[in-house]
Amino acid sequence: AQSVSQHNHHVILSEAASLELGCNYSYGGTVNLFWYVQYPGQHLQLLLKYFSGDPLVKGIKGFEAEFIKSKFSFNLRKPSVQWSDTAEYFCAVQGAQKLVFGQGTRLTINP
Amino acid sequence: GAGVSQSPSNKVTEKGKDVELRCDPISGHTALYWYRQRLGQGLEFLIYFQGNSAPDKSGLPSDRFSAERTGESVSTLTIQRTQQEDSAVYLCASSLDRPLVSNQPQHFGDGTRLSIL
Repeated sequence: AQSVSQHNHHVILSEAASLELGCNYSYGGTVNLFWYVQYPGQHLQLLLKYFSGDPLVKGIKGFEAEFIKSKFSFNLRKPSVQWSDTAEYFCAVQGAQKLVFGQGTRLTINP
Repeated sequence: GAGVSQSPSNKVTEKGKDVELRCDPISGHTALYWYRQRLGQGLEFLIYFQGNSAPDKSGLPSDRFSAERTGESVSTLTIQRTQQEDSAVYLCASSLDRPLVSNQPQHFGDGTRLSIL
């Protein structure tokens, strides 16, 4: 069965700090990997995705993620966060059509 | 173009009543998913429709839950004899094709917030 684990439940940073949110998954087959963001009061939006090819993927708003197959990880990074990045971030894994989300990480950026 | 549309956006009902939630996928999207997100938890998969194939109902938590989809259009999720534990945000998503075949991500609606009193 697929499962996704996000290690950090709540991360608090100051503006301009660097960000890394952890995501590990378990699944035996081919997977697609996603990071979604949910800004306060809004629906989920796709930040970036990995299907194949270059394991370092770049998404919107300066986010990137690296797929490390040997570690079953897909960590999200951003070199310098902004106050507007305050949101909930969900890692998701898709195998055999089912999309499984992690519990989410709440990111709070202090100005 | 319009995204995935869900209605109602909010629903408050008494325990024991039936509720029906509606999802209008993006036009042309053959795949449609229902998820729910309980407070403080991740999204749970409920059901998946792909074209005219038999739906994957493996995520439905009980026989009180059912969903229908006519062709590649609107879907309705019905919860009978609602319980307080059914309180959650119910999210619908659609995608252009089978995700692992066409590499199309899922597009989500705003969700229906269901509160059972």
